[in-house]
Amino acid sequence: RKEVEQDPGPFNVPEGATVAFNCTYSNSASQSFFWYRQDCRKEPKLLMSVYSSGNEDGRFTAQLNRASQYISLLIRDSKLSDSATYLCVVNIIGGNKLVFGAGTILRVKS
Amino acid sequence: GAGVSQSPSNKVTEKGKDVELRCDPISGHTALYWYRQSLGQGLEFLIYFQGNSAPDKSGLPSDRFSAERTGGSVSTLTIQRTQQEDSAVYLCASGTNGGRTEAFFGQGTRLTVV
Repeated sequence: RKEVEQDPGPFNVPEGATVAFNCTYSNSASQSFFWYRQDCRKEPKLLMSVYSSGNEDGRFTAQLNRASQYISLLIRDSKLSDSATYLCVVNIIGGNKLVFGAGTILRVKS
Repeated sequence: GAGVSQSPSNKVTEKGKDVELRCDPISGHTALYWYRQSLGQGLEFLIYFQGNSAPDKSGLPSDRFSAERTGGSVSTLTIQRTQQEDSAVYLCASGTNGGRTEAFFGQGTRLTVV
């Protein structure tokens, strides 16, 4: 089983839609969680950290469910500029390495 | 500079040659990571540094790959006797507290082995 698993998509949605991505992780001792965004042929960039209580940043909401080892990202009112690959990232305790999921492709169309 | 800097940005090399890739992390960042990304694929972890030591080098694909970090700052990833399957984008990231905080990426070195 992969350490971090994501639905690869692609998710094709119209502008203004709400879309949700899920991510599961295998190591129950994982401590830190993040969502990154990667545009085509660019480096990944931090979108937001994910906190136990859930957190929101504008149109983006991240949730963490430790019991189910599950992270989600909700994007409301999708914009064309949201089109990218969204990467779920988990800190693996012991190795102190950040493990990236393979990413979920989002395409927002007008 | 303000961000993570990697050089060269592009490198074309002949099969069998050695290459060195350089990463200048954000000043003050103690954690440094190397990843590689093949076309259309996800990020593959290579090695993690905390200061000058590498507590996790589990991702290095073979003994042709090595990395070092000096002065708690600049890191060099060396690939010896390059093979065509080494062609990828090599990404470096740095952070302040190991994996507990976010990491910031450089723009990567695109390596092509011909």
